[in-house]
Amino acid sequence: DGGITQSPKYLFRKEGQNVTLSCEQNLNHDAMYWYRQDPGQGLRLIYYSQIVNDFQKGDIAEGYSVSREKKESFPLTVTSAQKNPTAFYLCASKMDNEQFFGPGTRLTVL
Amino acid sequence: AQSVTQLDSQVPVFEEAPVELRCNYSSSVSVYLFWYVQYPNQGLQLLLKYLSGSTLVKGINGFEAEFNKSQTSFHLRKPSVHISDTAEYFCAVSVLSGGYNKLIFGAGTRLAVHP
Repeated sequence: DGGITQSPKYLFRKEGQNVTLSCEQNLNHDAMYWYRQDPGQGLRLIYYSQIVNDFQKGDIAEGYSVSREKKESFPLTVTSAQKNPTAFYLCASKMDNEQFFGPGTRLTVL
Repeated sequence: AQSVTQLDSQVPVFEEAPVELRCNYSSSVSVYLFWYVQYPNQGLQLLLKYLSGSTLVKGINGFEAEFNKSQTSFHLRKPSVHISDTAEYFCAVSVLSGGYNKLIFGAGTRLAVHP
């Protein structure tokens, strides 16, 4: 089945640690996105990538980093510089005008 | 700057009753409009989209929405809801920004269907 997978589903991190969230797609889409979701705020764009080896900052990129070495993969690293990382993180890919979302990773900082 | 306003944060409704979830957007240019549904601890699923053409758009699960350019609205409706429609619903607008199409989301409306 074609789709987007995110792992892990739940992630716990101690303060001061970097952590990497995985996002993989087999839809053959060029564009991929990372969003952060907080209660009552909708989704906010962290980073996006329109093609392999290229990515751009979104609206809230501070404290995050990404890479796009393969078309299928767009991992997100939450660094210790992100002051409030506890949130639900969603990855998406895009074909034409529609974005397709993964199931999400819930990150909790202890 | 473009924005999306979902006028109700929560909408309680009884099963088999009709429902309307309201969405207004601000944009001076042509936009594409979307409604997504999110069940607890899951990703977003596309309900319907307006790109062009007929202003009444039909989606999955019996939902429909009407694009009203003069009122800059894109309200979502269902004539008879089921318990399984309980979820959070997001309105989004796609606009061209910095050379790419950017999705701007509303804050969401939590639909609670009661028996």
